This record gives sequence, structure tokens and C-alpha cells, in this order.
Amino acid sequence: DVKVTQSSRYLVKRTGEKVFLECVQDMDHENMFWYRQDPGLGLRLIYFSYDVKMKEKGDIPEGYSVSREKKERFSLILESASTNQTSMYLCASSLRGQIEAFFGQGTRLTVV
Amino acid sequence: KQEVTQIPAALSVPEGENLVLNCSFTDSAIYNLQWFRQDPGKGLTSLLLIQSSQREQTSGRLNASLDKSSGRSTLYIAASQPGDSATYLCALPTQGGSEKLVFGKGTKLTVNP
Repeated sequence: DVKVTQSSRYLVKRTGEKVFLECVQDMDHENMFWYRQDPGLGLRLIYFSYDVKMKEKGDIPEGYSVSREKKERFSLILESASTNQTSMYLCASSLRGQIEAFFGQGTRLTVV
Repeated sequence: KQEVTQIPAALSVPEGENLVLNCSFTDSAIYNLQWFRQDPGKGLTSLLLIQSSQREQTSGRLNASLDKSSGRSTLYIAASQPGDSATYLCALPTQGGSEKLVFGKGTKLTVNP
């Protein structure tokens, strides 16, 4: 079975902190994604990576950056956390050319 | 741009009932569609993937259908159980052969014992 693992289930950070969310997948997938999920807004794509060191902005990249130095790991970085980044963050992966996506368990981030 | 709508937003049924969840989309030039389940506070679990060449896909008590011409997919759950209570989301490519997905906002299902 594909496994996508997010490093934390819950995080509480202070405004202005630099925050790293980590995601690891074990199925050699080329594609990895970061989404955020908010009540009433659904899932929105933040960033997409289609290969090592390759990335593409999603619908809401402002305030975020990403890093993909190894194929299995995709990191989401909040350069200076703000309260409006309090959300559920979901990582996913898929094979190149396929849309079947596999998700991690989510990270509930609270910025105070 | 692909838009995905799921109606109703919430549904409550008694245990044992058969039910249908709906997913509508605006761009029918899609290659496939995926249904997910999400339990409260958790990630998404893939339920079914329908390829554009298929009209249906089945897994246990779940059956998903795809009608590209009408821009509609349905998820049928037979003999519902309290353990089926969750939010169900459908997802499609943002356009054509894109590998990026756009999601509906989901239908929150409650199955009452």
C-alpha cells in the first residue's frame, strides 16, 4: 500500500515563526502536492512538484514556499506564519501521468 | 476552469438505507474521476477511481458511475452503516490531462443507528 506520512498531526506556532511541514511518500511517486483545507472553502492547492527540485504554484501560493530535494520528501514552508494560515494541511502524491492521488493523515496547524 | 459541485452538502439517513451522493462538473473533457472519504480531522482515503473509458467502478457496497456527457458522477452506497458516516469528496483533473486535482466541497453523510 502507498504510504504518505506527514511529520506532525498537530502543530501550534506563534505569529512570525518560520514553520516547516514535512511529507514523505514511500512509493517512488514523481508528483507531490500540498493542499490546505478550510471550512466552506474545501481543498485548495498550494504547490505542486512534478520531480526533484521542480515545482509549480497552485491556486494559493502566497505566503508559502516548498522544497523538494529528494524524490520521497516534499516540504512546505511558511516563511512568517500568520493567523490566517491556521488550517488543515494535506500532502498527497501520485505517479506521473496519473491522477490517482494518495493522501497523508493531515497536519492541523494553529498559528497564535 | 473546471468547477466541481457536490449536492447536498449534508445528508442524514437511517442505517440500512441505500443512498446516492452526487458530483457535478463543468468540463467534460476529463480522463478520470476519483472519490474520497474523509473522517473528521483526518486525511483523505481513496475509495474509487473511474477512468474515462469506464462508466462504473465497484468496491464492496460502493458503486461509482461516470456520465461525461451530462457532467455528472454518482456514488451509490448500499445498505448504509453507521461506520459509513464521513465526508465524501469527488475530485477531477483541473483540465484535460492535468495531474492536478480540483475538489468538490464534499457531502457530509451521517448514518443513524
